Amino acid sequence: DGGITQSPKYLFRKEGQNVTLSCEQNLNHDAMYWYRQDPGQGLRLIYYSQIVNDFQKGDIAEGYSVSREKKESFPLTVTSAQKNPTAFYLCASVGRSRGNTIYFGEGSWLTVV
Amino acid sequence: GQQVMQIPQYQHVQEGEDFTTYCNSSTTLSNIQWYKQRPGGHPVFLIQLVKSGEVKKQKRLTFQFGEAKKNSSLHITATQTTDVGTYFCSWDFGNEKLTFGTGTRLTIIP
Repeated sequence: DGGITQSPKYLFRKEGQNVTLSCEQNLNHDAMYWYRQDPGQGLRLIYYSQIVNDFQKGDIAEGYSVSREKKESFPLTVTSAQKNPTAFYLCASVGRSRGNTIYFGEGSWLTVV
Repeated sequence: GQQVMQIPQYQHVQEGEDFTTYCNSSTTLSNIQWYKQRPGGHPVFLIQLVKSGEVKKQKRLTFQFGEAKKNSSLHITATQTTDVGTYFCSWDFGNEKLTFGTGTRLTIIP
């Protein structure tokens, strides 16, 4: 089946540690996105990438980093510089052949203690 | 600056009543999409609107895009308990920076 796979689904980390969330898609989509969602809140854009080896900051990029070395993969690193990293993280990709429809992964719950 | 507001933030309705959520932009949008997120889940695509004045229907859901492409609405007729969730609009201004509204959380009172 084609889709977007995020891992891990649940992750616990100690404060001060960096953590990397994985996002892989086999939909052959060019554009990929990372969003953060806090409980009861909307989705806020962290980073997005429209093509391999290129990415842009979203609205809340501080404390996060990404890479896009392969079309299928767009990992997100939550660094120790992120002041309040506990949240639900959603990865998404967009298929241009079908307009701007966003396909989401199942999400990753990160808890920093 | 470019701003899009989604209202209301919360809506509680009796089962069988109608529900509407709105997204209003200060500038013209290229397109707008609507998503539904069930509690504990991820957003699921519902519809995309591209044309000025466009109206699309999916069973009890009606989606509209304003003539100026600055406003959009999602209307649910005769709500059911399965409609519970948060409804988001999403847009971009032609720059592929896909942004989401704050969402409207719908609660159904049986």
